Amino acid sequence: NAGVMQNPRHLVRRRGQEARLRCSPMKGHSHVYWYRQLPEEGLKFMVYLQKENIIDESGMPKERFSAEFPKEGPSILRIQQVVRGDSAAYFCASSPEGGTPLHFGNGTRLTVT
Amino acid sequence: QKEVEQNSGPLSVPEGAIASLNCTYSDRGSQSFFWYRQYSGKSPELIMSIYSNGDKEDGRFTAQLNKASQYVSLLIRDSQPSDSATYLCAVNHPGAQKLVFGQGTRLTINP
Repeated sequence: NAGVMQNPRHLVRRRGQEARLRCSPMKGHSHVYWYRQLPEEGLKFMVYLQKENIIDESGMPKERFSAEFPKEGPSILRIQQVVRGDSAAYFCASSPEGGTPLHFGNGTRLTVT
Repeated sequence: QKEVEQNSGPLSVPEGAIASLNCTYSDRGSQSFFWYRQYSGKSPELIMSIYSNGDKEDGRFTAQLNKASQYVSLLIRDSQPSDSATYLCAVNHPGAQKLVFGQGTRLTINP
């Protein structure tokens, strides 16, 4: 029973490029959560999605960041025109409807050069 | 005031001793509390959950919850060098399906 799958594990982008991070939830889970972890800090909630719907994006920066969870395929976190401050580990968790997201994927470590 | 607060440490404990990690939270409506362990460069791993006042034991780990004091702790008995990691406290956000994390406490077990 596969867990939450994230790819890529490591992503290097130059300033100004776009970063796309993917998350496939656990089998049977229809809700996805994205968190960001800056060095030496805890996880910060970014966005909560279900299929084709954003439920809570209160933690998303107002500009350059977007997320989607299409009917088919993984959830995508998209960062446009990346800056050095976007360098962080981005983790995804999933849950069944009404559940608490308890288990995380291995994360994507984004480095902006 | 941060929603969930932890001492960032580092906390050093000799091997075999009890490690005590503490966490306070601000929202009295919180009902679910979790401890995660995170090794350097790895993802957080859920090790304990607690939902009601009192103690909950699982092997060498004991979680303690005091809702009146808005305080949750994690005790690790017979500490091992493999317990060296950052421990994250997480609290559910009332009315929302998301977790709020503390900044983590870095624990080092000295052989």
